[in-house]
Amino acid sequence: KQEVTQIPAALSVPEGENLVLNCSFTDSAIYNLQWFRQDPGKGLTSLLLIQSSQREQTSGRLNASLDKSSGRSTLYIAASQPGDSATYLCAGRDNYGQNFVFGPGTRLSVLP
Amino acid sequence: EAQVTQNPRYLITVTGKKLTVTCSQNMNHEYMSWYRQDPGLGLRQIYYSMNVEVTDKGDVPEGYKVSRKEKRNFPLILESPSPNQTSLYFCASSKPGRDTQYFGPGTRLTVL
Repeated sequence: KQEVTQIPAALSVPEGENLVLNCSFTDSAIYNLQWFRQDPGKGLTSLLLIQSSQREQTSGRLNASLDKSSGRSTLYIAASQPGDSATYLCAGRDNYGQNFVFGPGTRLSVLP
Repeated sequence: EAQVTQNPRYLITVTGKKLTVTCSQNMNHEYMSWYRQDPGLGLRQIYYSMNVEVTDKGDVPEGYKVSRKEKRNFPLILESPSPNQTSLYFCASSKPGRDTQYFGPGTRLTVL
């Protein structure tokens, strides 16, 4: 059964810093991996989706990579801003079914 | 506007009183899913549906029912709610396989 972990659980950085959030999964037979952002009291917003055949995806200041062989994905945020403060979750869909497994999230605080 | 809607957004009920949380999407997505989010446990999938009349269990289906009679709607039914079903519930939809998941705003359920 797929298990997804995220490190660190929480992160606090000053504005302007570049940062990396980590996501690890146990089963490399992953169909795709998605990064989400969740603001307090709100739903999830999709940031980036990486198919199993891809190595990375970019959107603005965000870059996500996927390494199936090592069971890892990273989300890189460049030039962080206070508006980036939120919880970031990764979720993997495996090849065997249609269910998605979420990591516990990383709570990011960007200080002005 | 493309969106996933859930109703109600907040619900307080008592043990054993049947309830239904509705979910509707206007993007003509085949795939729909229900999740619950609990502190320390993250998001866990309850049920999902690949298309009309096709549903399957996720990781935590006990105590829940779903139906998919129309493509746009995917209600979550709690026949006899219990306090351990107090949680934040999210509905999501996507095109099968490749596309990103779109989440509703969430329903906060409290069972007394």
